[in-house]
Amino acid sequence: KAGVTQTPRYLIKTRGQQVTLSCSPISGHRSVSWYQQTPGQGLQFLFEYFSETQRNKGNFPGRFSGRQFSNSRSEMNVSTLELGDSALYLCASSLKQGGGEAFFGQGTRLTVV
Amino acid sequence: LAKTTQPISMDSYEGQEVNITCSHNNIATNDYITWYQQFPSQGPRFIIQGYKTKVTNEVASLFIPADRKSSTLSLPRVSLSDTAVYYCLVGELTGGGNKLTFGTGTQLKVEL
Repeated sequence: KAGVTQTPRYLIKTRGQQVTLSCSPISGHRSVSWYQQTPGQGLQFLFEYFSETQRNKGNFPGRFSGRQFSNSRSEMNVSTLELGDSALYLCASSLKQGGGEAFFGQGTRLTVV
Repeated sequence: LAKTTQPISMDSYEGQEVNITCSHNNIATNDYITWYQQFPSQGPRFIIQGYKTKVTNEVASLFIPADRKSSTLSLPRVSLSDTAVYYCLVGELTGGGNKLTFGTGTQLKVEL
């Protein structure tokens, strides 16, 4: 059974640009959550999608957005990139909402220069 | 979500049992307790989850006292490959979505 797949694995962008990250959940999983991990702030929740609807949202500015498609694949977009957006972005999928058992991907390492 | 407190770091040797305790004084009735393991530059990996008493799986045990204000993750006979950061999370059992709140975690270092 394939795990959670995130693409790309590494990305370098310039300040002011925008970026789109992709996440393919485990087959059959309908919940996809996104997290940002930095050395200073640790792992922080961005948002969660379930059945194409955003169900939970973390405390991030509106530059961070996401969506989920009918096949449960999800994308995360960050507009007007700032240096502080450099981080490891992790996607997690779950079979259902709630329950706490999530399966994480390897992440996308975003560097903003 | 209930705030959790864990030791920042722990050291151990191969073959020893390691117990990592997490405090969650404000845990709610609907909250479960989950532990994750994370290696550098990888996503966290689910280890074990419980609600009360004791839960055991092939890699760890989770002990939860009756008041549920703390929990202890027990790793039997650790090896070098168990060197990682361990996170304790508390969250709603149902209906709360998968908004996981990670604390700072415990950096476990296993030596020969």
